[in-house]
Amino acid sequence: DAGVIQSPRHEVTEMGQEVTLRCKPISGHNSLFWYRQTMMRGLELLIYFNNNVPIDDSGMPEDRFSAKMPNASFSTLKIQPSEPRDSAVYFCASSPRRRLAAWAGYEQYFGPGTRLTVT
Amino acid sequence: GENVEQHPSTLSVQEGDSAVIKCTYSDSASNYFPWYKQELGKGPQLIIDIRSNVGEKKDQRIAVTLNKTAKHFSLHITETQPEDSAVYFCAARETQGAQKLVFGQGTRLTINP
Repeated sequence: DAGVIQSPRHEVTEMGQEVTLRCKPISGHNSLFWYRQTMMRGLELLIYFNNNVPIDDSGMPEDRFSAKMPNASFSTLKIQPSEPRDSAVYFCASSPRRRLAAWAGYEQYFGPGTRLTVT
Repeated sequence: GENVEQHPSTLSVQEGDSAVIKCTYSDSASNYFPWYKQELGKGPQLIIDIRSNVGEKKDQRIAVTLNKTAKHFSLHITETQPEDSAVYFCAARETQGAQKLVFGQGTRLTINP
């Protein structure tokens, strides 16, 4: 299994530019999560999808951020326009389909991340 | 919502000794508690998890214990090795948020040779 795939691995852009981060979840997983990691705020959940539908976007910082999941094998996180304070590592994670046991299917598997630098 | 506190923020131990990292959570209904290891330049890797229907789980040199009454859980690493050096995160499932995990702030573990 290839694991969660993210691209690009590194992105350097100038303030005001549009940035698009991409994620391919593990095949067969039906939940996808976007996180942001910074030294100050740690690991923050931005948004998550279940069966390609956004379930909770309460962590999205502001309207400059948007996420889509057009199909089960692809998701994007877009920042437009980007600002220096958006500099962080962005992770995508996926989770397998929930099983009948109440506590099964919550494990999340993370991708390698995209390091974003906005100058 | 759920709140997770993790201690200590940094931990340094001699190779071969044991390391313990502790976390507390606020939502008594939480039922899933994973631990992640993050090496430099990589994404967090799930290393062990525990459900609320058990009190302890072990996998080779790592173990996790859960005390539901006190609402805390701990990661134990025995016979530490240099490759155990990393940042470790605990998390708890937020029951109001279906599959959301709330993460602790992380512990930077350093194994001294």
